[in-house]
This record gives sequence, C-alpha cells and structure tokens, in this order.
Amino acid sequence: AQTVTQSQPEMSVQEAETVTLSCTYDTSESDYYLFWYKQPPSRQMILVIRQEAYKQQNATENRFSVNFQKAAKSFSLKISDSQLGDAAMYFCAYNDFGNEKLTFGTGTRLTIIP
Amino acid sequence: EAQVTQNPRYLITVTGKKLTVTCSQNMNHEYMSWYRQDPGLGLRQIYYSMNVEVTDKGDVPEGYKVSRKEKRNFPLILESPSPNQTSLYFCASSFSLAGDNEQFFGPGTRLTVL
Repeated sequence: AQTVTQSQPEMSVQEAETVTLSCTYDTSESDYYLFWYKQPPSRQMILVIRQEAYKQQNATENRFSVNFQKAAKSFSLKISDSQLGDAAMYFCAYNDFGNEKLTFGTGTRLTIIP
Repeated sequence: EAQVTQNPRYLITVTGKKLTVTCSQNMNHEYMSWYRQDPGLGLRQIYYSMNVEVTDKGDVPEGYKVSRKEKRNFPLILESPSPNQTSLYFCASSFSLAGDNEQFFGPGTRLTVL
C-alpha cells in the first residue's frame, strides 16, 4: 500500500522569506501523481500544485514550486516570498492510475511571522 | 459555478441519533468520495463511488453508509453515530479515477457526537 509521510507537523517562516515543506512517499508504481493541497482556516481544500512522476521537470505555479526526487521518493514544496495568506495546513497527497483515492500525509501547519 | 456542496456545515448530535450529511456536485463527475480528517492522521477515505449505484469501501468504512442513486448526489449516512465519529468530513468529486484528475472538495462538515 502506498504511504505518504510529512515529518514536519509545524513550520514557521518570516514574511517574504522562503520555506520548504517536506514530503516522502512509498510506492511500487512507476507512474503516479503527487499533489500539494492547502487548507486555510476556512477548511477548504485547495490544490496548490501537482507533479506527474514521468515528467523530469519540477512543477511550478507562481511562488510555489516542487523539488521532485523520484529515486528518493521525495516531493518537497517550496514557497517563495511567503505571504500572510500562505498560512495554512499543507497536505501532500499521492495518486496513481486507477487508484480509487488520494493518499494523504498527516499535514504540516505553516505559520507566517509578520 | 462549478462546485461541490455539503450540508450541514456544522452539526452537533448525540450518540445513536441517525444523521445524513448531503453532498452534491454540479460538474457531471462520475467519481465521488468521502474522507474524514482527524488531527495527526490527515484525510482518510471512508467510501467512494465510481458511478450511479456503484459504491465501495475505503480505508475507514465502519459505522458509515452511502448511496448513489443520482450522479450528482452522494450522501453519507451515520445510522448510529458514536463519539469516535467526531471529525471533519469532506466530500470530493472528479471526472474519473485517472491519476491526474483533480479532485474537487466540498467545504467540509464539522461533526461533533456527544
């Protein structure tokens, strides 16, 4: 069974600085997808970024980028120029073809210090 | 507006009193799913449905029932709620099970069972 591990329950960063959230996963599949979801205080789950395992290039969405290391099964999220609105719980998630669910990590709560 | 709606958003009930949490999507999605979110555990899948009249268990189905009589609706039923079902519940939908299909989440239902 696939597992997703987020080893940092909490992180904090100064506003305008850069922070990296860690995620590792375990799978025997070669084709799969990885996601970062943001959950602000409103509790809404918001897709931040996704990465396809067969793509070598790391995904980027504005200030959000990932460092995808397939051999190491690592998928970290980098947030540049952190803003107060980035404060949230961040979940790493995994899915592969035909899988009936997203497998989530336990989350990292990110605090932005003004 | 494309969305997944859940009702109620908040519910406090007592042990043993049957309740239903409704979920509806307006995107003509075939796949729908229920997750529960608990501190330190992330989101875990309860049940999922691949189409009308097709449902199956997820990772934590005990104490829950679902039905899929219409494509757009996927209610979650707790026939005899217990305090260990106090949690934050999310409904999600997507076009298919293909790994890259984004899952759209509802706003969540905070359930407290006394």
